[in-house]
Amino acid sequence: KQEVTQIPAALSVPEGENLVLNCSFTDSAIYNLQWFRQDPGKGLTSLLLIQSSQREQTSGRLNASLDKSSGRSTLYIAASQPGDSATYLCAADKYGNKLVFGAGTILRVKS
Amino acid sequence: EAGVAQSPRYKIIEKRQSVAFWCNPISGHATLYWYQQILGQGPKLLIQFQNNGVVDDSQLPKDRFSAERLKGVDSTLKIQPAKLEDSAVYLCASSLRTATYGYTFGSGTRLTVV
Repeated sequence: KQEVTQIPAALSVPEGENLVLNCSFTDSAIYNLQWFRQDPGKGLTSLLLIQSSQREQTSGRLNASLDKSSGRSTLYIAASQPGDSATYLCAADKYGNKLVFGAGTILRVKS
Repeated sequence: EAGVAQSPRYKIIEKRQSVAFWCNPISGHATLYWYQQILGQGPKLLIQFQNNGVVDDSQLPKDRFSAERLKGVDSTLKIQPAKLEDSAVYLCASSLRTATYGYTFGSGTRLTVV
């Protein structure tokens, strides 16, 4: 059974800082891994999707890496801004049709 | 393109009452998912439809939860009777075929059972 763990559970940083969010998964036989953002009272917004054959994906100030052999993914946020404050969720997808989510990292960027 | 629409946004009911949630996926998306997100946890898949057929409902509490997807488009999720532990956000998502193309989530329905 796939289990996904995210560390840290919460993070508070000053504006402008670079930061790393960690995600680990127990079953390395995944189809892809996705990172989502969730704002309070809102649904999930897809940030980055990394296929199992890829090592990383980049979008603007966001960079996500995937190491299947170690069962880890990291989300790197460069030059953080107050608008980045949200909960960040990673999800492992084993068959291309079923996401297993971590509990998320609550990020607060202070101005 | 229009997003995934869900209604209502909020619902408060007493335990043992029934409640229904509605979801309209993105046009052309064959796969529809219902997730339950309890406060402080990640979303958990309840049921997955491919067109109007159920692909996975292994985590759906079938004694009280039911779902249908009429004509392979809109979907409803029902809880009857509700329990206190059903308090959560219910998220609907859709995808084109498989996760290769990613998922689009609705804003969710926040259910409070008192």
